[in-house]
Amino acid sequence: NAGVTQTPKFQVLKTGQSMTLQCAQDMNHNSMYWYRQDPGMGLRLIYYSASEGTTDKGEVPNGYNVSRLNKREFSLRLESAAPSQTSVYFCASSEQQFYEQYFGPGTRLTVT
Amino acid sequence: KNEVEQSPQNLTAQEGEFITINCSYSVGISALHWLQQHPGGGIVSLFMLSSGKKKHGRLIATINIQEKHSSLHITASHPRDSAVYICAVYSNYQLIWGAGTKLIIKP
Repeated sequence: NAGVTQTPKFQVLKTGQSMTLQCAQDMNHNSMYWYRQDPGMGLRLIYYSASEGTTDKGEVPNGYNVSRLNKREFSLRLESAAPSQTSVYFCASSEQQFYEQYFGPGTRLTVT
Repeated sequence: KNEVEQSPQNLTAQEGEFITINCSYSVGISALHWLQQHPGGGIVSLFMLSSGKKKHGRLIATINIQEKHSSLHITASHPRDSAVYICAVYSNYQLIWGAGTKLIIKP
């Protein structure tokens, strides 16, 4: 089992460009999450999906959209990237909401 | 005041030492999560517990619900244990993160 996979691993964008971060899990988990981690800071929840077909805002949703494509996949979209979105993005999943979370390797995004 | 406090913020120890990292919280919780973030950035779940004690290899996690306190212990520490250890609590349908403890184990 690969666990939680994320693509791409690294990305550089210019201000105003758009992109989608992909996340997939093969553990048959119901809940999935997107976090960002800024240098020297803790994790902050952007959006989550408690179950297939549902998505909810987390602590810092502005500037992002998400799609729970199916049970396996949860994507994060930046419509118009800004330098303030330079961060490392982590996807995670759990069997149910509020259960133990398992993390992907992260995507390092730089917006210039 | 943060709802989840970890101590110490930084810890440097010699290989072989017994390590204790503490997590105190001020809210009612349903469970507590310990995670490890490697120097390369990857995040690994270590334990999730709501009572008592759990052990995995050289790692032991305990929780005292009455005192609102959890500890993570590492026995026979090794340089490969160097990482940031993060405590997070589930409270009122949200996960509240501690700031992390940076651990360095010197050979």
